[in-house]
Amino acid sequence: EAGVAQSPRYKIIEKRQSVAFWCNPISGHATLYWYQQILGQGPKLLIQFQNNGVVDDSQLPKDRFSAERLKGVDSTLKIQPAKLEDSAVYLCASSPRGDRREGETQYFGPGTRLLVL
Amino acid sequence: AQKITQTQPGMFVQEKEAVTLDCTYDTSDQSYGLFWYKQPSSGEMIFLIYQGSYDEQNATEGRYSLNFQKARKSANLVISASQLGDSAMYFCAMREGRNFNKFYFGSGTKLNVKP
Repeated sequence: EAGVAQSPRYKIIEKRQSVAFWCNPISGHATLYWYQQILGQGPKLLIQFQNNGVVDDSQLPKDRFSAERLKGVDSTLKIQPAKLEDSAVYLCASSPRGDRREGETQYFGPGTRLLVL
Repeated sequence: AQKITQTQPGMFVQEKEAVTLDCTYDTSDQSYGLFWYKQPSSGEMIFLIYQGSYDEQNATEGRYSLNFQKARKSANLVISASQLGDSAMYFCAMREGRNFNKFYFGSGTKLNVKP
């Protein structure tokens, strides 16, 4: 079974530029998550999709971050314009259902390392 | 208040010895789930073990066990017979919420296994 795929693996941009990350979850997984992991910290959930609907985006900085999951499969996360503090690893994860299952774990992709100069 | 607290930024353990990584959590929910993940230097998060809030027995998965003390709101990870490949960051996490759609990670513990 193929895991969660993410691209690109690394990205370097200058502040005020835009950047987009792509994620393809495990086949058949209904729920998709985007996390931001700043160096030395644990991941912070940015947004959660159930199929192609948003379940939770309370920690997404909506003035500059956006995400979509068209057709309920792969997803893109965009930052526009980027700031220095956006430098982090962006992790994508998926789980089979995501709702009403306290024991359901998430499967993570390798992440995209973003450096904003 | 922090949802997940890991008070040990770094730990050392001798190869083949056991080590305990601490985790405390904060929730008012009756039903929740607790997880431990391993993050090697490659960056990918690897699921290790899960404990449900209603589980009466501590979870075990191979060399990993979870010391769950519900009244103290602690969920410590015990790694027995440490191996050099266990050197990594370890994160404690919790799933809670009405639809279990809230997921929180701690700040992590860096484990170094010495030969």
